[in-house]
Amino acid sequence: QVQLQESGPGLVKPSQTLSLTCTVSGGSISSGSYYWSWIRQPAGKGLEWIGRVHTSGSTNYNPSLKSRVTISRDTSKNQFSLKLNSVTATDSAMYYCARVDVALATHAFDIWGQGTLVTVSS
Amino acid sequence: DIQMTQSPSSVSASVGDRVTITCRASQGISSWLAWYQHKPGKAPKLLIYAASSLQSGVPSRFSGSGSGTDFTLTISSLQPEDFATYSCQQANSLPLTFGGGTKVEIK
Repeated sequence: QVQLQESGPGLVKPSQTLSLTCTVSGGSISSGSYYWSWIRQPAGKGLEWIGRVHTSGSTNYNPSLKSRVTISRDTSKNQFSLKLNSVTATDSAMYYCARVDVALATHAFDIWGQGTLVTVSS
Repeated sequence: DIQMTQSPSSVSASVGDRVTITCRASQGISSWLAWYQHKPGKAPKLLIYAASSLQSGVPSRFSGSGSGTDFTLTISSLQPEDFATYSCQQANSLPLTFGGGTKVEIK
């Protein structure tokens, strides 16, 4: 059974880069056809899709964050990562990684990590 | 971007009640809508995909309907474990977008 686990610093200083990793267990990040996404939820607000990387390595980003975001994968470690630069307090949120299985044609996130809380503060 | 508007933002209900949550898209999304349940400290859970298809393992008291711009999630008989927040998400076009969430609370 595939599981996702987010990891990374819980506190980031303003103007610095937020870096998170999602470790995939129970399956390979580089086989099949999947979209691996990052999603966040600020306290008291709705979910916001940040972007995704496909099994092939291609990426898509939310235009609202595109200038500051990089999502990449490391097939040797079975992980994918998020880098968000020039952070401000508005980037404080619970960050989730999640999967879409293209073969299932559901177009929905069927597996999520439990989330990791990131606070931007000096 | 397609805006997703959920209502109500919160609802108080009792065990056994029928609960209906609505989600409206700012433009047509065919049937590319999913519903999720989330609880604090737990991974969000996919309930419904393609507007009305029940995800494997999800109890049949959950159902979804709608197409185009208007969608509903119905819980036919609320159970204690159903008190949570529910969010809709459109999968029709990028960027993927979510509704603001509906919190189902104990009455």
